[in-house]
This record gives sequence, structure tokens and C-alpha cells, in this order.
Amino acid sequence: RKEVEQDPGPFNVPEGATVAFNCTYSNSASQSFFWYRQDCRKEPKLLMSVYSSGNEDGRFTAQLNRASQYISLLIRDSKLSDSATYLCVPSSGGSYIPTFGRGTSLIVHP
Amino acid sequence: NAGVTQTPKFQVLKTGQSMTLQCAQDMNHNSMYWYRQDPGMGLRLIYYSASEGTTDKGEVPNGYNVSRLNKREFSLRLESAAPSQTSVYFCASRGKAEAFFGQGTRLTVV
Repeated sequence: RKEVEQDPGPFNVPEGATVAFNCTYSNSASQSFFWYRQDCRKEPKLLMSVYSSGNEDGRFTAQLNRASQYISLLIRDSKLSDSATYLCVPSSGGSYIPTFGRGTSLIVHP
Repeated sequence: NAGVTQTPKFQVLKTGQSMTLQCAQDMNHNSMYWYRQDPGMGLRLIYYSASEGTTDKGEVPNGYNVSRLNKREFSLRLESAAPSQTSVYFCASRGKAEAFFGQGTRLTVV
């Protein structure tokens, strides 16, 4: 079983829409999670860290469901600039090795 | 703030040639990583170094070697380049939490 599974999409939404996608993880020992965004042909950049049940940063909300082993990312009031691939990375502690899936592609159109 | 610096940004090699990709970080991180990313794919771990003086194989190490020269620098060497190694290569470093990435090296082997 892959460590991380995400729907690759693409999720195609109009500006202003609310969109959410999930990330399922296999390691129940995962303690914290990181959402990255990756623009086309660029390096991944940290979007949000999640250390407890969730986190909110402006239009972005992450929620963790430990019982079902998934973490979701909700984006409100989508902007064209939100178009990117979103990657989730679970952490099982200080010695974890960042492991990436294919991520979820989001396309926001006018 | 330099963060993680990779050189070169672009490179074209002929089959059989060798080259070294350089990576340096200025954040005093212990862990460093090399990934490759092929079109439409996630990042795949080639090699990593959990601390200065140690290196370990990742998911796709064949055809590569690494050197953790000191705490700052972690290089990736292709001894005899093959067309299958055409890819984008990302170096990353990590302290206690999230990983930080360099801008990537776009390598084409012809």
C-alpha cells in the first residue's frame, strides 16, 4: 500500500468556488502533516503544516481525521493563482523521510 | 535568504557522459535528499543523507551515487548518463519539520 494516496484530478473549478481534496495515509503513526503546492516545473513549496486536528490559514483549511487516516485541504474563494498541484506529506517523527505521491492537480478558470 | 541552492539549473548530456549535480543549504539542517520527477509523476527519492557522514538509498538509486561532503553540501553524481535519466532533479533539506527544496536541475540525456 502506498504511503500516501491522492486523487490526481484535475479538479477544474471556476474562480470563487470552494474546493476540497483528500489525502489518505497508510502509516497510523503519522503525527503531523505538511501540505505543499507545486507549480508547473517548479519546486514544491510549503503551504501549511498540520500538527493537531487541523489548521487554518486565510482561505486554506486543513482537517485531519485520524480514525479514517486522511487529511483534507479546503480552499475557499479560489483564485486563478491557486492553480497548482497539491501534495500532502505525513511525518512520523523527527527521522521521517518526506515521501510524495503524485498530488492533486487543481485548475481554477475564469 | 538562499535556503537550498542547486547547480546547474539546466544541463544537456550525451549518453555515457558523467556529471555531478551540486546542492548546498544554509539552514544548518541535518537531513538532505535527492529526488527526481518525471512528467506527470510524483517525486521519487533517489538517495538521502540523515546526517553528515551518512547516506542511504532511496526508491530509485540505480545509476547514481551521492556524497555528503559536509553538513551543507550533498552532491549527486551520474557516472554514465542514460536517456532514462532525463528528468528534473530536486534537492531538499530538512530540519525538525518540513522540507525545503532547491529550484531543480532540468537534465536531458541525448
